[in-house]
Amino acid sequence: NAGVTQTPKFRVLKTGQSMTLLCAQDMNHEYMYWYRQDPGMGLRLIHYSVGEGTTAKGEVPDGYNVSRLKKQNFLLGLESAAPSQTSVYFCASSKPPGTPRYFGPGTRLTVL
Amino acid sequence: AQKVTQAQTEISVVEKEDVTLDCVYETRDTTYYLFWYKQPPSGELVFLIRRNSFDEQNEISGRYSWNFQKSTSSFNFTITASQVVDSAVYFCALSEGMDSSYKLIFGSGTRLLVRP
Repeated sequence: NAGVTQTPKFRVLKTGQSMTLLCAQDMNHEYMYWYRQDPGMGLRLIHYSVGEGTTAKGEVPDGYNVSRLKKQNFLLGLESAAPSQTSVYFCASSKPPGTPRYFGPGTRLTVL
Repeated sequence: AQKVTQAQTEISVVEKEDVTLDCVYETRDTTYYLFWYKQPPSGELVFLIRRNSFDEQNEISGRYSWNFQKSTSSFNFTITASQVVDSAVYFCALSEGMDSSYKLIFGSGTRLLVRP
């Protein structure tokens, strides 16, 4: 039982490049979330999903897209990375009604 | 508008001291949830507690206790007999509405350093 895993752990991108962050959970949770954490701040919700095939915008969705084709996976995409997207990204999952209880280890992304 | 304020940016205590981390929230909803999370130096987030707005009973879990006071819009967290392993950043968070408990608004966090 690995819990919530994130791939990759670290990444450096140049401005304008694209990439996809993968989140996987093996707890059969319905709800999954993507957050970003910037220095000196708490987490901010980017996008979330309440079930396979569904996604919704969170607090800071601009510049990101997501997909939930399989229940266990939640992908976060950056189509054209910008320096403002330099951050640590956390994925989380939970059962309904939805309190993010289980977090992945984070992905540290730097955009130059 | 909803807001969470953790005024203490950093706290340093000596092991075995008690320490209280403050959390003040703002919301117009009468129905909401409050949370505390721990982020140790390793970076992962650990869920500690969730409390709904209708339950003002204090909660105790081992050395941890939480004091929820609606009158002052506060949800403070106390660690009794602190230990070095308690060193971490602690986040308080708020979500409004019973159906939106996942849309958390986080405070900026309090860094706790427990010195041996």
